[in-house]
Amino acid sequence: NAGVTQTPKFQVLKTGQSMTLQCAQDMNHNSMYWYRQDPGMGLRLIYYSASEGTTDKGEVPNGYNVSRLNKREFSLRLESAAPSQTSVYFCASSVFSNQPQHFGDGTRLSIL
Amino acid sequence: AQSVTQPDIHITVSEGASLELRCNYSYGATPYLFWYVQSPGQGLQLLLKYFSGDTLVQGIKGFEAEFKRSQSSFNLRKPSVHWSDAAEYFCAVGDSTSGTYKYIFGTGTRLKVLA
Repeated sequence: NAGVTQTPKFQVLKTGQSMTLQCAQDMNHNSMYWYRQDPGMGLRLIYYSASEGTTDKGEVPNGYNVSRLNKREFSLRLESAAPSQTSVYFCASSVFSNQPQHFGDGTRLSIL
Repeated sequence: AQSVTQPDIHITVSEGASLELRCNYSYGATPYLFWYVQSPGQGLQLLLKYFSGDTLVQGIKGFEAEFKRSQSSFNLRKPSVHWSDAAEYFCAVGDSTSGTYKYIFGTGTRLKVLA
């Protein structure tokens, strides 16, 4: 099993460009999440999807949009990238929202 | 607001020594508590979880944690640290106060192991 797969692993963007980060899980999980990790700040929730067909804002949603394409896939879109969005982005999934989360290996995004 | 505090940003221990990483939480109800470990360049891996019942929980890689309600703590321990334990450790609490369930993570403790 691959678990949670994130693509791409690395990306460099210029300010103002758009980009979609992809996430897919093969564990038949209902809930999926997007976090960003910045030094000294732990993980902060951007958006989450408690179940297929629903999405909700997390702690830091500004500048991002998400799509729960189907039960397996949950994408994160930056419409107009800003240097403040330079970060490591993690996707996670769980059977239900009150169960332990399984994480992908992250996408390292730099915005110049 | 719910919160998780990991007061130690960095900890250094010698290989073979015991380890305790601290975690304090602020949460009104009985919390769901988790410890995760992150190796460099990797995602987070679940070490252990507490939902209810026995307050001393065992996890993978020889780790354990004790839930102390009176102290609002969930400290992670290991009797003898191995060099491969060098990583960053995150405590998290499950928060359902907004009506939907999400995690709140601490800011992490980076562990260095001396040979």
